[in-house]
Amino acid sequence: DAKTTQPPSMDCAEGRAANLPCNHSTISGNEYVYWYRQIHSQGPQYIIHGLKNNETNEMASLIITEDRKSSTLILPHATLRDTAVYYCIVRSTGANSKLTFGKGITLSVRP
Amino acid sequence: DSGVTQTPKHLITATGQRVTLRCSPRSGDLSVYWYQQSLDQGLQFLIQYYNGEERAKGNILERFSAQQFPDLHSELNLSSLELGDSALYFCASSPQVPGELFFGEGSRLTVL
Repeated sequence: DAKTTQPPSMDCAEGRAANLPCNHSTISGNEYVYWYRQIHSQGPQYIIHGLKNNETNEMASLIITEDRKSSTLILPHATLRDTAVYYCIVRSTGANSKLTFGKGITLSVRP
Repeated sequence: DSGVTQTPKHLITATGQRVTLRCSPRSGDLSVYWYQQSLDQGLQFLIQYYNGEERAKGNILERFSAQQFPDLHSELNLSSLELGDSALYFCASSPQVPGELFFGEGSRLTVL
């Protein structure tokens, strides 16, 4: 599976949009982009995933560039409870593909 | 609540001992994954089972073993425990492979 690169940390103000970037320049055609988050030692939580089209659900939006080499997770109105480590993961569609977590990006939402 | 249940939540034991961690997947999920998270290593994939069969293996030590039973629950056995095995152990389940993983709250193992 392709590797991803994320900045180690970022912060944003409560109520504002949080835009979390991810680079995956070696992504191949059958690989999806997944986002998970982990709030302070709790189990990781699935947020969203996409292949090439932008995706939106009740938690977030995922914007994938046309060349698929990078993506942005958008939390439209960040709250203090969104403070967490966010993991961007590239995963193939194969049955034996693993979900490999990197170091993620620590998002701190400030009051 | 993800629907994945892990027991015990906390476990303290001594070096050289053996422990068993248990995971009940979400109802209907056939696939179970085990991950280890220690302070210096992050989340490490250990092993995956699908409907009772091993599907993928990660950085799982030979001292560790796992299985998935006919009722789909899974157990991770850790033996000859060392101090470095102290970690959070997460189980996740998935309705299909590949698909979204739903994680339990973890079992925190402390080896003294």
